[in-house]
Amino acid sequence: DIVMTQSPDSLAVSLGERATINCKSSQSVLYRSTNKNYLAWYQQKPGQPPKLLIYWASARESGVTDRFSGSGSGTDFTLSISSLQAEDVAVYYCQQYYTTPLTFGQGTKVDIK
Amino acid sequence: EVQLLESGGGLVQPGGSLRLSCAASGFTFSSYAMSWVRQAPGKGLEWVSAIRGSGESTYYADSVKGRFSISRDNSKNTLYLQMNSLRAEDTAVYYCAKDFDMMIVVAAFDYWGQGTLVTVSS
Repeated sequence: DIVMTQSPDSLAVSLGERATINCKSSQSVLYRSTNKNYLAWYQQKPGQPPKLLIYWASARESGVTDRFSGSGSGTDFTLSISSLQAEDVAVYYCQQYYTTPLTFGQGTKVDIK
Repeated sequence: EVQLLESGGGLVQPGGSLRLSCAASGFTFSSYAMSWVRQAPGKGLEWVSAIRGSGESTYYADSVKGRFSISRDNSKNTLYLQMNSLRAEDTAVYYCAKDFDMMIVVAAFDYWGQGTLVTVSS
């Protein structure tokens, strides 16, 4: 199974500042024939289902604010929130869909400092 | 508008069975793989099972293999999860989720239901 490890487990950022979350996979999720990274990011607020933010490691889902961006390739990925807003307080998960079993990172809780 | 509505959760004793349903609308159901993803109270997300749009192929996490069975009825736009031999560690909110890309087998999820709580306890 591909193990997804996020860091940090939690972080507190001042309003308007940048938040950065890292995700590392135990093996590459880059599919060479398509040159795509099978990596997604989700946001989950309390009492709600997860919301897809990013797919293919860097493609923003329709309707997601451009404050969210994804980067990385192979085994190392980053989700950035360019200017943290109060509504961004949530838990963020990365997920690989390169192979089954699909696996998620353990989650990173983002709070306001 | 895409909607996914789960039902069938509840309290069940260890060793018991439940069948979850997920009624889908707002998209061509048979064109997309669907999954069940669960979240134990206060914990992270765990993928449970997936099924191709045609229903011809199914996939399971090792933790549920041999106990859970995923199926779908494309004529009713409904996804199912038959859960047998339930254990305390199966206690979780169970979400059904739609693949974002119809061209790949199992993918990331662009729509999720609100979830249904399954509690396994005596």
